[in-house]
Amino acid sequence: GENVEQHPSTLSVQEGDSAVIKCTYSDSASNYFPWYKQELGKRPQLIIDIRSNVGEKKDQRIAVTLNKTAKHFSLHITETQPEDSAVYFCAASNPQGNTPLVFGKGTRLSVIA
Amino acid sequence: DTAVSQTPKYLVTQMGNDKSIKCEQNLGHDTMYWYKQDSKKFLKIMFSYNNKELIINETVPNRFSPKSPDKAHLNLHINSLELGDSAVYFCASSNPYSGLREKLFFGSGTQLSVL
Repeated sequence: GENVEQHPSTLSVQEGDSAVIKCTYSDSASNYFPWYKQELGKRPQLIIDIRSNVGEKKDQRIAVTLNKTAKHFSLHITETQPEDSAVYFCAASNPQGNTPLVFGKGTRLSVIA
Repeated sequence: DTAVSQTPKYLVTQMGNDKSIKCEQNLGHDTMYWYKQDSKKFLKIMFSYNNKELIINETVPNRFSPKSPDKAHLNLHINSLELGDSAVYFCASSNPYSGLREKLFFGSGTQLSVL
């Protein structure tokens, strides 16, 4: 089955700096890669996703890149703000194969004002 | 008008007891899930139902029994609770027939504490 590795497990950045979180996956059939943000005591919420037919996607201050050959994808947050502090999860799945989303172990991001 | 709602939000119980968590979604989705989040925040799928039928059953002890009376509801019953069952349980749903079939909508979670 799919296995998703995520690094780092914790990340502290100064407000205004950029943050990068990296994930690798094992199943070459996976073709959908979402990122979820979970604030303290709240539910995970989708913030951005990418499919295997594109290499990069951007939405304001967040962007995701995908390298299918190397089987890794990354989340980039620019101009970080204190409200970006949360746990971020990457995930991978092959929806056509009816496989569930497999999540990475999460990255706790702290943005220091 | 919460999209995915689960009850109770908190559940504190003794070892050996039996408890249930209920989940309902009003999004018209066909697929529902139960995820377990342990103390290290690791999110792991337990079950997935599509239109009341079980389609995914990960290696979960058979003390856990999901039940889907209709496609808008997926309840989780746990027998003979153990200390290791303490976690946050998230219900989620998705619509496999739209372009966003993989997008999960999570409930607010149920924090289960087994004493």
